[in-house]
Amino acid sequence: DIQMTQSPSSLSASVGDRVTITCRASQNINNYLNWYHQKPGKAPKLLIYDVFNLQSGVPSRFSGSGSGTDFTLTITSLQPEDFATYYCQQSHIIPRTFGPGTKVDIK
Amino acid sequence: QVHLVESGGGVVQPGGSLRLSCAASGLTFSSIAMHWFRQTPGKGLEWVAVISSDGNRKYYTDSMKGRFSISRDNSKNTLYLEVNSLRSDDTALYYCATERAPRAANDYWGQGTLVTVSS
Repeated sequence: DIQMTQSPSSLSASVGDRVTITCRASQNINNYLNWYHQKPGKAPKLLIYDVFNLQSGVPSRFSGSGSGTDFTLTITSLQPEDFATYYCQQSHIIPRTFGPGTKVDIK
Repeated sequence: QVHLVESGGGVVQPGGSLRLSCAASGLTFSSIAMHWFRQTPGKGLEWVAVISSDGNRKYYTDSMKGRFSISRDNSKNTLYLEVNSLRSDDTALYYCATERAPRAANDYWGQGTLVTVSS
């Protein structure tokens, strides 16, 4: 199985801050890298697919980058609705695997 | 608007069985591969199984092979997960999700159905 790691595991930030989360795959995933966020009691919501493509309806303050095994999610100006847990996922091969998550909370 | 609604979860004793359902609307269900995932506080998000749009190809995570069975009824726009020989570590929130093209992200998710395995 492909192992996905994320850092940091949690971070505290203020509204308006720039936030960066990194994700690493244990092997090349051919850029089949997706980002989700999840709020308590809700299902994961797709933000970015295939490294840098913004899902329809997702604000442009979210962006993704990277290639091969190393990827980054950036939120340029954190908004109150962005406080959540963020997960990366590889969809290159089965089993689809997720990172352990990065919890973004209010400083 | 796409809606996925899971049902069928509940409290079951170890060794018991359940049939989870996922009713889909707002999409061409028969054209879409479907996944089951589960989530626990301890193990995070975990992929369970996938079924092709026509139901002919099915894949499972190794620890669930032989105990879980994924199926679909395209005439009813419904996905199923039969879960058998349940263990305490199968306690989780189970989600269904879409895969609208090969290797595509899971763009739509249901709200989840909770399975609790306890004596």
